[in-house]
Amino acid sequence: QTVVTQEPSFSVSPGGTVTLTCGLSSGSVSTNYYPSWYQQTPGQPPRTLIYTTNIRSSGVPDRFSGSILGSKAALTITGAQTDDESVYYCVLYMGSGTWVFGGGTKLTVL
Amino acid sequence: EVQLVESGGGLVQPGGSLRLSCAASGFTVSNNYWSWVRQAPGKGLEWVSVIYSAGNTYYEDSVKGRFTISRDSSKNTLFLQMNSLRDEDTAVYYCARNWNYQFDNWGQGTLVTVSS
Repeated sequence: QTVVTQEPSFSVSPGGTVTLTCGLSSGSVSTNYYPSWYQQTPGQPPRTLIYTTNIRSSGVPDRFSGSILGSKAALTITGAQTDDESVYYCVLYMGSGTWVFGGGTKLTVL
Repeated sequence: EVQLVESGGGLVQPGGSLRLSCAASGFTVSNNYWSWVRQAPGKGLEWVSVIYSAGNTYYEDSVKGRFTISRDSSKNTLFLQMNSLRDEDTAVYYCARNWNYQFDNWGQGTLVTVSS
C-alpha cells in the first residue's frame, strides 16, 4: 500500500523560510500526481493553499509556493508569520479515482 | 454563496449504519466531482470516497463494500451510506468538492462516533 510521507513536525523563526516535503514510500512524486497542499488549524476544515503542484488557490498569499524538489513535492513558505503555525497536509492523486493524504506536518513558528 | 453543510453524524454501535448528508448551495452537485474525507480525533486527513459527475464512484480500500457514495440532484445533496461500522471509522467526516485534482471547497464536517 502506498504511503505518502511528510515530516511530522518542523519549526521556523518568524520571517524565515521553510520547505515542507511530500514523498512516496515507493517511487518519486511528479506533476502527474497533481500534488496539492492544505493548511488546517484546530477545529477548522482544511484550507487549500496550492493545487496541481504550484498553483496558488484564490486569496493565498504569495509567500506560499509549491514545486517539485527532487523526488518530492514541496511547499515553501517564505517570510513565515506567526499565523502560519498550523498543520499542513499534502495529497496526491494516485490514479483510478483515488487520492492519498500525507500524515501532515505540524509547523511551529517561533 | 458557496456552502456545504454536512449532517447525519452521531453515536452508533459497532456493526451499525449511518447515512451522512452534505447539502450544497452555490454548486450543482450533479455537475461536479465530490469527495468524502475523514479525520479521526487527533489524526490526519484520510480520503474516503469520490463520485464523479458521470456517476463513477471510487473508494478507499478500508471502506470498500461497506460505504456507498451517492447524490440526489433534486435535493442538490451528496450522501455517504456507511454500513458495518467499526471503531476505526470514528472521525469527523467532511464533504469536499473536487476540482482540478484538488479539494477546493469543504464543509465544516460532521462527527461520527462508533462505540458500544
